[in-house]
Amino acid sequence: DAKTTQPTSMDCAEGRAANLPCNHSTISGNEYVYWYRQIHSQGPQYIIHGLKNNETNEMASLIITEDRKSSTLILPHATLRDTAVYYCIVRATGANSKLTFGKGITLSVRP
Amino acid sequence: GAVVSQHPSRVICKSGTSVKIECRSLDFQATTMFWYRQFPKQSLMLMATSNEGSKATYEQGVEKDKFLINHASLTLSTLTVTSAHPEDSSFYICSANRQDSQPQHFGDGTRLSIL
Repeated sequence: DAKTTQPTSMDCAEGRAANLPCNHSTISGNEYVYWYRQIHSQGPQYIIHGLKNNETNEMASLIITEDRKSSTLILPHATLRDTAVYYCIVRATGANSKLTFGKGITLSVRP
Repeated sequence: GAVVSQHPSRVICKSGTSVKIECRSLDFQATTMFWYRQFPKQSLMLMATSNEGSKATYEQGVEKDKFLINHASLTLSTLTVTSAHPEDSSFYICSANRQDSQPQHFGDGTRLSIL
């Protein structure tokens, strides 16, 4: 079973920030928070991951609460191409460590 | 650019046919690759972990004789769906890690349709 919970869906206006929440209250100390997204009929795309510090890359920012029980993925300026299913996953390090996908959140960006 | 390549992207074949899907890591060596399956409107389900030079580790409920996995080199894993039937029609996706501490990267998936 997935160790994260996410809302089923959300939408935002093009050009605005999209804030996608995720709860992972049972996360272990050695587990990272990963975010992937899947655009229809494609393989998942890696977005960002973090352990306890906030992270930012060219795609998004990841804000992790101090107790690490929840996090928020921020797409600063959403575009129509950001419409996808976003998966929040907790995973330990190690080449054999699995990614367990939940249902994810469907983000719809409207014009 | 893509770091994991999957081929073919789409297969349509008759019931009873065996189908092979290839997964390649493009510019790195992957001792471990993963195979997933995704049915329409559902999430990805891990089928097996493919280990270079050794037997694959299958998830509970996945028939190892039905889904043959071979990981003969550090850049190639193959999944063969043997004697495929319509219920095997699905979206099959592979992934690989660059290094232990790096995230998994996914191929673009293979859409398998069994008539």
